[in-house]
Amino acid sequence: KQEVTQIPAALSVPEGENLVLNCSFTDSAIYNLQWFRQDPGKGLTSLLLIQSSQREQTSGRLNASLDKSSGRSTLYIAASQPGDSATYLCAVSDRGSTLGRLYFGRGTQLTVWP
Amino acid sequence: DAGITQSPRHKVTETGTPVTLRCHQTENHRYMYWYRQDPGHGLRLIHYSYGVKDTDKGEVSDGYSVSRSKTEDFLLTLESATSSQTSVYFCAIYRGAGEFSEQFFGPGTRLTVL
Repeated sequence: KQEVTQIPAALSVPEGENLVLNCSFTDSAIYNLQWFRQDPGKGLTSLLLIQSSQREQTSGRLNASLDKSSGRSTLYIAASQPGDSATYLCAVSDRGSTLGRLYFGRGTQLTVWP
Repeated sequence: DAGITQSPRHKVTETGTPVTLRCHQTENHRYMYWYRQDPGHGLRLIHYSYGVKDTDKGEVSDGYSVSRSKTEDFLLTLESATSSQTSVYFCAIYRGAGEFSEQFFGPGTRLTVL
């Protein structure tokens, strides 16, 4: 069974810092990996989708990388802002299980203070 | 935005009562999913549907049933609610295929069982 781990569980940084959030997964047979953002009491917003054949994907200040063979992904946030404060979730779409289902990590709770 | 709505958004109920949560989508997607989110567990799959009247169990299906009589609606029923079912419930749809697939989530329903 696919297991997804996110490190660290929580992170608190001053505004302006560059951040790296880590995600690891146990089975490399994936279709893709998604990074989501979740604000308190809210739903999930998809930030980036990396296909299994890709190495990285960028959107604005966000850059996500994927090393499928080692079962790792990182989300890099450049020049962090207080508005980036949220929980970031990593999820993989597994080739070996129910079509379309995602396996989620427990998330990294990010606080960016002014 | 994938046109997903959930109702109710918040519900408080008592142990032993039946509860039905509704997920509605407007884009005619075939695959729909119900997840629950709990502190320390991340999101876990309860049930999913791959078409009208076609449903199957996820990893935490005990105590839950689902129905899908129309493409646009996927209902989750707690036959006799228990306090352990206090959670946030998310509905999702699956768009695309293989590496190019992506899931989009509804806003969630916060359920409290007293």
